[in-house]
Amino acid sequence: DIVLTQSPALAVSLGQRATISCRASQSVSISRYNLMHWYQQKPGQQPKLLIYRASNLASGIPARFSGSGSGTDFTLTINPVQADDIATYYCQQSRESPPTFGGGTKLELK
Amino acid sequence: EIQLQESGPGLVKPSQSLSLTCSVTGYTITSGYDWSWIRKFPGNKMEWMGYISNSGSTNYNPSLKIRISITRDTSKNQFFLQLNSVTTEDTATYYCATGLHYFDYWGQGVMVTVSS
Repeated sequence: DIVLTQSPALAVSLGQRATISCRASQSVSISRYNLMHWYQQKPGQQPKLLIYRASNLASGIPARFSGSGSGTDFTLTINPVQADDIATYYCQQSRESPPTFGGGTKLELK
Repeated sequence: EIQLQESGPGLVKPSQSLSLTCSVTGYTITSGYDWSWIRKFPGNKMEWMGYISNSGSTNYNPSLKIRISITRDTSKNQFFLQLNSVTTEDTATYYCATGLHYFDYWGQGVMVTVSS
C-alpha cells in the first residue's frame, strides 16, 4: 500500500498562511494527473472534499484553499486562515488500490 | 444533490458480525460512481474498506478481504456492509461515501463500538 505521511499538527495565527504537507511513499502521479486529494474534517462531522487531483478546488470551497505538488510531495495551503478553518486535514491517494489516507494534520491556533 | 445516510447498531459483540446500511437519495446507485465504505478509528487513522460499483462488482481492501462483504439492494437504492468476526480493533466511525478516485459525497457516519 502507498503510505502517506503528514505532520500531526500545525499551529497558525488567524489571517496568516497555513501550509500542510503530505508525502507519499511512492509517486502518485500518472502522466499529467496527480492523484492526490485533500479533505477537511471538523469534530462530529464527515470529511469534506477540498481539493481533487492535487490542485483542483472542489465545488463550493473558498478560494483561500489551494493545492500543489506532484510525484511524492504535495501541499495544501490556506491563505489567509480563518477561524472556521480550524479542523483536521487529510490527504488521500488514488494512484493505486487500495486508496489510502494520511494520518491527518490538526490545524490549531497559536 | 447526492445524500448518503448510514444506519445500523452502535454496539456489536466480539466475534459477531457488523452490519450497516447506506441509504442513498438524489442519485441512483446503478447510474454511476463506486459506492464505498470508509472507517475512521479512534486516533484519526482512516481506512478505505471497499466498494461496490454501479454495475455491482466489488473491490475490497486486501487487509479485510476474508471478513468483508459489500452488497446492494437496487430497488431500495441502498448498499450494505457486513464485517465478520469483529474484534475491539474494529471499533470506529463508519462512513459510506461515493465518488470516482476521490470521495465527493459522504454520509454523516455511524459510530460502532465492539465490546462485550
